[in-house]
Amino acid sequence: GAVVSQHPSWVICKSGTSVKIECRSLDFQATTMFWYRQFPKQSLMLMATSNEGSKATYEQGVEKDKFLINHASLTLSTLTVTSAHPEDSSFYICSARGTQSSYNSPLHFGNGTRLTVT
Amino acid sequence: AQSVTQPDIHITVSEGASLELRCNYSYGATPYLFWYVQSPGQGLQLLLKYFSGDTLVQGIKGFEAEFKRSQSSFNLRKPSVHWSDAAEYFCAVGASGDYKLSFGAGTTVTVRA
Repeated sequence: GAVVSQHPSWVICKSGTSVKIECRSLDFQATTMFWYRQFPKQSLMLMATSNEGSKATYEQGVEKDKFLINHASLTLSTLTVTSAHPEDSSFYICSARGTQSSYNSPLHFGNGTRLTVT
Repeated sequence: AQSVTQPDIHITVSEGASLELRCNYSYGATPYLFWYVQSPGQGLQLLLKYFSGDTLVQGIKGFEAEFKRSQSSFNLRKPSVHWSDAAEYFCAVGASGDYKLSFGAGTTVTVRA
């Protein structure tokens, strides 16, 4: 079945540094990828929608200059947390959908990235 | 905008007993409804989804869900739980076509022996 690979699975970084998280669709072309953030014991909050070859669409309240999203190919989207601070520590999950434009195109989730900023 | 409420934060059930997880949604048009399961530190796995048609939907791992428009509900059920069903369960609703899902807060299921 289709697989979405997210890398790294966990990362610890120092405050002020930047961290890049990759989301790859391994056996299908993903026209759209979604980035979610999940706080402990809470639900997933959609951060942004990324379409291949165009700028990401950010949800209200999400700082686009802090969370840089690039979707340069049909199989790769990256989320870069710039100048990370401890409050950015969270679980980040990506999801990807195929090229069909309906809900019959399944949505596949990565296994998430645990970011800890010290 | 659509929203989802999962009234139960935590449910404990004995192995072999039945399980029902509640989900209520708010959306003005016909909703697209999903149930996902998440194991600790993992991503989400789709259990089942409802788009249209038969209101009783069968999913993987023996789960089923029933869409009740009159109650704005999409409750998840399993007749007999296994210890491996211990996980976090999320109900989600989407508007037509764009897959921007709104998730409920989740229900943690603990299975006791």
